Amino acid sequence: GAVVSQHPSRVICKSGTSVKIECRSLDFQATTMFWYRQFPKKSLMLMATSNEGSKATYEQGVEKDKFLINHASLTLSTLTVTSAHPEDSSFYICSARMATRGEKLFFGSGTQLSVL
Amino acid sequence: KQEVTQIPAALSVPEGENLVLNCSFTDSAIYNLQWFRQDPGKGLTSLLLIQSSQREQTSGRLNASLDKSSGRSTLYIAASQPGDSATYLCAVVSPSGNQFYFGTGTSLTVIP
Repeated sequence: GAVVSQHPSRVICKSGTSVKIECRSLDFQATTMFWYRQFPKKSLMLMATSNEGSKATYEQGVEKDKFLINHASLTLSTLTVTSAHPEDSSFYICSARMATRGEKLFFGSGTQLSVL
Repeated sequence: KQEVTQIPAALSVPEGENLVLNCSFTDSAIYNLQWFRQDPGKGLTSLLLIQSSQREQTSGRLNASLDKSSGRSTLYIAASQPGDSATYLCAVVSPSGNQFYFGTGTSLTVIP
């Protein structure tokens, strides 16, 4: 149990287009979801915290208008990279927290975004 | 701000050895600490979670300890196997439970 599905796993797009990444908790309700970004050989960087039904809380330095996060239901959060540029190319990972499992985090498999 | 450091950055050991990965953090006010494993290009797999009131957790060949007062946690891997090769990350969770601070990771290679 406690599976988090992230889709797509890989996306290649042209500069200027928008890309949507989905994060779904398949068998539990996730009141909180987190979005991370990882640069090569670096650790994860928290981008934003998403609570169902409310606006996401963004970390300092993360552009809200660039990275749109929507947490419309207890099982789905989406990250949209708007007007993507090559510098947005990165590995994006979501995670979901299930409060009944001692605040344990469950992670998606990640999305490799390449902007040409 | 909480800072999390992992030492060593990379570790290479022969199969069968026991090994210890280290994680240190600057602020002892934490909610819990978690250890993760990451395979190349993949997401994270949660290995162990230690609540702030606990001293250690065990799962199979893995044992994680927590010493809040000194700001340290260790992940002990017994009888290492080539399949253990991966990057291991520790994450400290803030008292609010909403902030996760990740270490820089230790890249482990177990040589057959």
